[in-house]
Amino acid sequence: DAEITQSPRHKITETGRQVTLACHQTWNHNNMFWYRQDLGHGLRLIHYSYGVQDTNKGEVSDGYSVSRSNTEDLPLTLESAASSQTSVYFCASSEWGTDTQYFGPGTRLTVL
Amino acid sequence: KQEVTQIPAALSVPEGENLVLNCSFTDSAIYNLQWFRQDPGKGLTSLLLIQSSQREQTSGRLNASLDKSSGRSTLYIAASQPGDSATYLCAALQGGSEKLVFGKGTKLTVNP
Repeated sequence: DAEITQSPRHKITETGRQVTLACHQTWNHNNMFWYRQDLGHGLRLIHYSYGVQDTNKGEVSDGYSVSRSNTEDLPLTLESAASSQTSVYFCASSEWGTDTQYFGPGTRLTVL
Repeated sequence: KQEVTQIPAALSVPEGENLVLNCSFTDSAIYNLQWFRQDPGKGLTSLLLIQSSQREQTSGRLNASLDKSSGRSTLYIAASQPGDSATYLCAALQGGSEKLVFGKGTKLTVNP
């Protein structure tokens, strides 16, 4: 069955370190998204991609970057981790026209 | 800028009760309105998707309605069960984009 996976599921890092969170989907979807979920803020869009070599900034993109070199993967990089980036991160994908987004299980990131 | 609001933030009901969760949005230029379920520590699962041209969608004990003119959607759960306990999120897909704007969710507890 097609799925969307994230790794690692849990990560603890230190302030200032570079961190990369992986997202892999086997739906062959064109669209991929990264969200963060925080108490009191709900889900907020970080970056998104509509296809290979396409990336766009979302609502809370400062301090994050993504690259899309193939259809299946959209890694999220925290250039220099900050305590404010402690959160749960979700990756999602969708296909043009169907509109439903399929979500991964999430990565809980703690920045000390 | 689209804003999505869900009221109440939390709801506790006895098993067997019918209930309604509310969602409101400020910009009626939406492509569709989606309802998701999130269990603790898990990702989001799509429940129902209502296209902008539709008034409602049904799946089993769930019924979602959409009134674009008033900027409201409701999720009706019939004969609630303890297994329905979860956080329910609504999200609006903006016309001309693939981006979802989420509400902060309603945490539902169904007591046996």
